[in-house]
Amino acid sequence: AQSVTQLGSHVSVSEGALVLLRCNYSSSVPPYLFWYVQYPNQGLQLLLKYTTGATLVKGINGFEAEFKKSETSFHLTKPSAHMSDAAEYFCAVSPGGTSYGKLTFGQGTILTVHP
Amino acid sequence: DTAVSQTPKYLVTQMGNDKSIKCEQNLGHDTMYWYKQDSKKFLKIMFSYNNKELIINETVPNRFSPKSPDKAHLNLHINSLELGDSAVYFCASSQESTSGGSEQFFGPGTRLTVL
Repeated sequence: AQSVTQLGSHVSVSEGALVLLRCNYSSSVPPYLFWYVQYPNQGLQLLLKYTTGATLVKGINGFEAEFKKSETSFHLTKPSAHMSDAAEYFCAVSPGGTSYGKLTFGQGTILTVHP
Repeated sequence: DTAVSQTPKYLVTQMGNDKSIKCEQNLGHDTMYWYKQDSKKFLKIMFSYNNKELIINETVPNRFSPKSPDKAHLNLHINSLELGDSAVYFCASSQESTSGGSEQFFGPGTRLTVL
């Protein structure tokens, strides 16, 4: 069984400030982890994913996330927020090493960026 | 050249009616999914098809019946619509591998409102 908890349903930052969106997961097998972004009235778009190998993964739009097994975390960061980053972000987990892995999503975090 | 398309984008109907949502992907993927996003933005998988075969079937009422006429299409038919069916329904596709972890590409969503 898998689950995802995103700490903070709303995060607000100033333009140029650090973005940190928190994600903790629970999985009975080694997980695959994903961050998706959803802009208003659109579908989800993959930002980055961790499957195996390097635990620090880089994604699109300057985002990165680090898989920390000991903390069961996969927090998303960006050094400097841009107005265009305002969106809802979803962390997701699927069972690693298996095909047709079912994605289990967190409840989402709305990121607001102030000028 | 939309990768994953859904029709209609908006669907407003009365309780008790039967309706269908269509999904098509032109990415050549072999796996397609239906997700339901409720009013609190919680995203949950409903079904998954691989090469026209049902792979994942979550606890979804029998009123929901997916149909995959070919690898590029996955339609969702809903009988006897209820108020609780109001949500945004997302179609997604991916090219699965034996090790899993593939990116899922999402459609723009269909907002279903049951009155």
